[in-house]
Amino acid sequence: ETGVTQTPRHLVMGMTNKKSLKCEQHLGHNAMYWYKQSAKKPLELMFVYNFKEQTENNSVPSRFSPECPNSSHLFLHLHTLQPEDSALYLCASSQVDFGTGTEKLFFGSGTQLSVL
Amino acid sequence: GNSVTQMEGPVTLSEEAFLTINCTYTATGYPSLFWYVQYPGEGLQLLLKATKADDKGSNKGFEATYRKETTSFHLEKGSVQVSDSAVYFCALSGVNRDDKIIFGKGTRLHILP
Repeated sequence: ETGVTQTPRHLVMGMTNKKSLKCEQHLGHNAMYWYKQSAKKPLELMFVYNFKEQTENNSVPSRFSPECPNSSHLFLHLHTLQPEDSALYLCASSQVDFGTGTEKLFFGSGTQLSVL
Repeated sequence: GNSVTQMEGPVTLSEEAFLTINCTYTATGYPSLFWYVQYPGEGLQLLLKATKADDKGSNKGFEATYRKETTSFHLEKGSVQVSDSAVYFCALSGVNRDDKIIFGKGTRLHILP
C-alpha cells in the first residue's frame, strides 16, 4: 500500500466513449502527476499539478483532460481516444525533500486502459 | 539535457545468481539518483536512492553506488530470489527545484527457480 489509490484498475472503452480515471493520495503531498506507460517505451510524463495548479503539460493531446479539484484528488478525463492510447496510466504524488531538493515519487497501481 | 540510459532486458537469471543492471546518466551538476521497481500488476516503488557522489543506496539486499567519475549508478544484488522478478527503472532528479524525475526505459528481470 503506497498511499496512492487509483480506480478503476482496468478499463475497456470504445473510441466514442467518455470515461474518467481517478487518483487519490492520502500522504499529504502537494504535487500530483499522470504518467503513461506503454510497452517497450519509457515512462511518459503527461501532466503535473503543484498545489492544484497545472505546472506541466507535455504536449498531451486534448482528448486527455486532467482535473485537480484539491491537493488529494486527481482525475484524467478521456474522450474520443484512439487504439494507440491503450496503455497503463499511472498516477503519482510527491514530497520534496527540502534538504536535498529531491523528489520522492509514490505511485498508484495504475489503470490498464484498452481502447477498442 | 538530462538523460538516463539503462541496459535493455529482459535479464534472465537462476535463483541465487549475482545481479548487475547497468545505468549511466547525463546531467549537469550533481543530480540525485534512484532505482524504482515495478512488480507485476503494480505501480513503481522507490527501491533505493543516493544524493551525492560515492553515496551507496541499499534496500532489500540491493545496492547501488553513485559514481561521478563514470556517471553510473549500477544496481547489484548478491543472490537474487524468484520474488525479485520485476521491472527495474533507473532515474535521476536534476539539481534545479523545477526539474522532474527522468526515468530510464526499464529492465525486466526474470528469476528462474
